[in-house]
Amino acid sequence: GENVEQHPSTLSVQEGDSAVIKCTYSDSASNYFPWYKQELGKRPQLIIDIRSNVGEKKDQRIAVTLNKTAKHFSLHITETQPEDSAVYFCAASPYGNNRLAFGKGNQVVVIP
Amino acid sequence: EAGVTQSPTHLIKTRGQQATLRCSPISGHTSVYWYQQALGLGLQFLLWYDEGEERNRGNFPPRFSGRQFPNYSSELNVNALELEDSALYLCASNAGTSGQNTGELFFGEGSRLTVL
Repeated sequence: GENVEQHPSTLSVQEGDSAVIKCTYSDSASNYFPWYKQELGKRPQLIIDIRSNVGEKKDQRIAVTLNKTAKHFSLHITETQPEDSAVYFCAASPYGNNRLAFGKGNQVVVIP
Repeated sequence: EAGVTQSPTHLIKTRGQQATLRCSPISGHTSVYWYQQALGLGLQFLLWYDEGEERNRGNFPPRFSGRQFPNYSSELNVNALELEDSALYLCASNAGTSGQNTGELFFGEGSRLTVL
């Protein structure tokens, strides 16, 4: 089955700086790559996703890039704010969104 | 519109007992997914139900089982509880294979299971 790895496991950034989290996946058939954000004590929520037919997608301060050849995708957060502090999970699936394999999560800490 | 609801919020059991967790999806959603979130292990896929049938299961032993009811709600049963089953169990729903599926999984707040 699909195996997703995230790194670094913890990332600390100064407020206003950029944060980048990278994920690698194993199944070349994967075609759907979402990112979920989980704030402390809350449920995971989708923040952005990308499908294999595009290389980049942006939504305000967040963007996701996909490199199918290298089998990795990254989340970019610009102008980080304290409310960006959370655990971010990447996921991948060769079945659309119906059987997502999640990574172990990245703890992002934005230092005011 | 009500989101995904799960019960109980917290559950404490002892080794060898059985636990039953419940999930009500968002109205109109036909698929329910169960994930285990143990400390440091991320979100591990347990089970996927759609239209009342089990569509897929993750790499968990058979003592993890569940079902989906005609109203699309679901329950997760864990038999012969072990200490390592202590985790947050998250349920999520979406429109499944109905063609209305946007890709997003809508998660509940989770049920925290503690096995002593």
